Amino acid sequence: QSALTQPRSVSGSPGQSVTISCTGTSSDVGGYNYVSWYQQHPGKAPKLMIYDVNKRPSGVPDRFSGSKSGNTASLTISGLQAEDEADYYCCSYAGSSTVVFGGGTKLTVL
Amino acid sequence: QLQLQESGPGLVKPSETLSLTCTVSGGSISSSSYYWGWIRQPPGKGLEWIVNIYYSGSTYYNPSLKSRVTISVDTSKNQFSLKLNSVTAADTAVYYCARLGRSMVRGVILNAFDIWGQGTMVAVSS
Repeated sequence: QSALTQPRSVSGSPGQSVTISCTGTSSDVGGYNYVSWYQQHPGKAPKLMIYDVNKRPSGVPDRFSGSKSGNTASLTISGLQAEDEADYYCCSYAGSSTVVFGGGTKLTVL
Repeated sequence: QLQLQESGPGLVKPSETLSLTCTVSGGSISSSSYYWGWIRQPPGKGLEWIVNIYYSGSTYYNPSLKSRVTISVDTSKNQFSLKLNSVTAADTAVYYCARLGRSMVRGVILNAFDIWGQGTMVAVSS
């Protein structure tokens, strides 16, 4: 079970859109439609932002969206805001009631 | 509103056993819709899933940690606990407990951690 691959950092200006990728294998991302994304601000617990590849929990702005193609999932944040600056982690179901996280991506709002 | 709270020693000596407890409040740990899990985060690094447990006692481990991990559940206290033995400095991390949906029931978010504890820092040092 290897960690999913994410870019270490991405950046964008307020109002722009950014996309964070998350690459796994056919045993995790590619094999199931159970990819979730978490936002983590410094010193805080992670917060669920996307589940089932592209669904948003109640209260998450529709600026956040998810998608998947093959073994790669993506999180897109449109209309960037200063408060979106945080670390983002993807997570995938990997079978047999196990999960695997990505290495995390630091989003900087310029 | 369901909440999770981690508790346990903040300092553990190398080669000893790390022990943490997660207390669930505002809901029952005996729900058939959820697993309960532990995730950790070394300082400045990413999240690592450790283990999940179902209220019946069924367990699911990260293969890389399985040999050192024990998880248990106490439904009478609405708690579940983690033990990690033979710790080294590499086990220094913030440890989180969280809820993971396991059934396709209305209102349950399947295979995602939807509620997290605040986390507890555990340092391994002599």
